[in-house]
Amino acid sequence: GAVVSQHPSWVICKSGTSVKIECRSLDFQATTMFWYRQFPKQSLMLMATSNEGSKATYEQGVEKDKFLINHASLTLSTLTVTSAHPEDSSFYICSAREGGDYTFGSGTRLTVV
Amino acid sequence: RKEVEQDPGPFNVPEGATVAFNCTYSNSASQSFFWYRQDCRKEPKLLMSVYSSGNEDGRFTAQLNRASQYISLLIRDSKLSDSATYLCVVNSRGAQKLVFGQGTRLTINP
Repeated sequence: GAVVSQHPSWVICKSGTSVKIECRSLDFQATTMFWYRQFPKQSLMLMATSNEGSKATYEQGVEKDKFLINHASLTLSTLTVTSAHPEDSSFYICSAREGGDYTFGSGTRLTVV
Repeated sequence: RKEVEQDPGPFNVPEGATVAFNCTYSNSASQSFFWYRQDCRKEPKLLMSVYSSGNEDGRFTAQLNRASQYISLLIRDSKLSDSATYLCVVNSRGAQKLVFGQGTRLTINP
């Protein structure tokens, strides 16, 4: 089946630094990828929809200048958390769509100290 | 009102019990429905899609009532390995994104 590889699986960074998370579709081309965030004991909340070759569509309340999304190829989308702060600590998960199926990456646990 | 709402849980039941989860959705244009399972600190994994006619996969049965905008999941003969958070998920025709419910935590006790 379809596989989405997400890296890193966990990262600890200092407040004020930037962190890049990568999401790759390994055996299919993903024209659309989704980025979610999940805080403890809460559900997945969609942050943005990433379309290859165009600007991402952000959900209401998500700062596009803080969460930079790049989807330059059909197999790679990246999320950069800029100037991270402790409140950005969360579980970030990507998902790629192929036809009607959605495949999730394994997630990135970000801790900002 | 949240677009997808689930039982608040948590559910703690003995092994072998039957468990039922309920979910309601507010967008009448929703077209696709799913139950996902998420283990602690892991990504969600598709458990089963939900069809209007109802569908069964082993010990799991899913039902959809479009008129009431209601989805259910029944787990029979629960196993310890069924312990997880169960997420009700919908999306709308033409909308690419999935909308997740808040999830219901299930713990099966030996």
